[in-house]
Amino acid sequence: NFVLTQPHSVSESPGKTVTISCTRSTGSIGSNHVQWFQQRPGSSPTTVIHEFYQRPSGVPDRFSGSIDSSSNSASLTISGLKTEDEADYYCQSYDSNNHVIFGGGTKLTVL
Amino acid sequence: QVQLQESGPGLVRPSETLSLTCSVSGGSINGYYWSWIRQPPGKGLEWIGFMYYTGSTNYNPSLRSRPTISPDISKNHFSLRLTSVTAADTAFYYCTRYSTALHTFDYWGQGILVTVSS
Repeated sequence: NFVLTQPHSVSESPGKTVTISCTRSTGSIGSNHVQWFQQRPGSSPTTVIHEFYQRPSGVPDRFSGSIDSSSNSASLTISGLKTEDEADYYCQSYDSNNHVIFGGGTKLTVL
Repeated sequence: QVQLQESGPGLVRPSETLSLTCSVSGGSINGYYWSWIRQPPGKGLEWIGFMYYTGSTNYNPSLRSRPTISPDISKNHFSLRLTSVTAADTAFYYCTRYSTALHTFDYWGQGILVTVSS
């Protein structure tokens, strides 16, 4: 099976832009949908991106998703950072048996 | 608005069976996939398994046949049983709804902490 690797932590200042990567170890990143979840401290995760780059209703357009075949990775980009964006972010995909695989999570600090 | 609520014992002894229930309100379990996901304190997310409302299932192979997810249509809830627990099963357990239209977990419960300890 494959592994989704995320940076352990990232930090950036309010108003700036940050990108969180999610690299798939084997198989093509584009062969199965990728989702991104935000988990604020003490709360359940919520979807911020589904199907690589789709935003659920209610998620601001400051959040965007993309994939890069050359690096075999997906990325979550958050622009115009706000302190409320400080959270853990998880990428998620599927294997060929529809088993769900999560990345290890990235802690975003907005300082 | 769909709401999910986990319930069950917060403490389970090693080698025993963990049993949790997810009550669904604001919508029916009919027609959807449902799932359990867990998170050890301070760690990442781990998918346990899927259940379709008909009862068909798909589990995380790393859990080696220990989990069972099953529906109770009459009560509009579904359950998780995890056998032979160890301290490594200590975690927050979340029940979720899976949307096949959006390909994501669109509703989550608040989570319940289950500790495995004697």
